[in-house]
Amino acid sequence: SQQGEEDPQALSIQEGENATMNCSYKTSINNLQWYRQNSGRGLVHLILIRSNEREKHSGRLRVTLDTSKKSSSLLITASRAADTASYFCAYSGAGSYQLTFGKGTKLSVIP
Amino acid sequence: DARVTQTPRHKVTEMGQEVTMRCQPILGHNTVFWYRQTMMQGLELLAYFRNRAPLDDSGMPKDRFSAEMPDATLATLKIQPSEPRDSAVYFCASGLVGPPTYEQYFGPGTRLTVT
Repeated sequence: SQQGEEDPQALSIQEGENATMNCSYKTSINNLQWYRQNSGRGLVHLILIRSNEREKHSGRLRVTLDTSKKSSSLLITASRAADTASYFCAYSGAGSYQLTFGKGTKLSVIP
Repeated sequence: DARVTQTPRHKVTEMGQEVTMRCQPILGHNTVFWYRQTMMQGLELLAYFRNRAPLDDSGMPKDRFSAEMPDATLATLKIQPSEPRDSAVYFCASGLVGPPTYEQYFGPGTRLTVT
C-alpha cells in the first residue's frame, strides 16, 4: 500500500525557519491527509484536504493540493523543536475507506 | 479524551509461538484498521473492518495471520506461528470513516520482536 512518495526523505532546519514537505501520488483521490509520528509513538492526524480544495490552513500548518500534478505540500511555519518528528502523507481514492501512506519525511528542528 | 488502546505495548517471543495483539477502538468509530510498520517497508495496511465486518485483508499473510473483531470494543490480530520476519510495530487505528470524515486515530502500537 506504499504508493505515495514524500520528499525530502529527511530535512534538518533551525528553530524558527519554515519546513516544506512534498508528497506525490499516482491515483485519483478523494482526499489527502497529513500525519505526524513522534519517535516510538503512533501517528497523529494533522490535517485533511479534499480533492476539490486547493489550500487549507490549520494553525502553523498550510497544505496545498494540486490534483493535476497529483501532488501536495505541507508547510510548517515558524518551526519549533517540538515539531521534530516524521511526517506522512496519506490518501484515499473515491469510495475507498483505506489510506495509502507514503514513506514519510523525517524532520529535525534544531533549537 | 477518547483514545485507541493497544495491548501489549511490547512483546518478545520465540519463533513458532502464537502472538495475539489486542486493540480497543474509540467508542462509536465504525472502521478499524491494522497496520504494520518496519524500517524497510514503512507503514503497510494488513486488514480492516467496517461495522465489525472484515472488508479487506489482502495485505495480510493468510497462512499465519488472522484478524477478528468479536465485538465493537475489541479487535485482535493473531500470528501463528510467528517468524523473525514478523518483527515490527503493529498499529491499530479507528475512525468514523466515510463522508465527510476520513481521519484515522492511531493507537500507540505493539512492538513485536520474534527471536
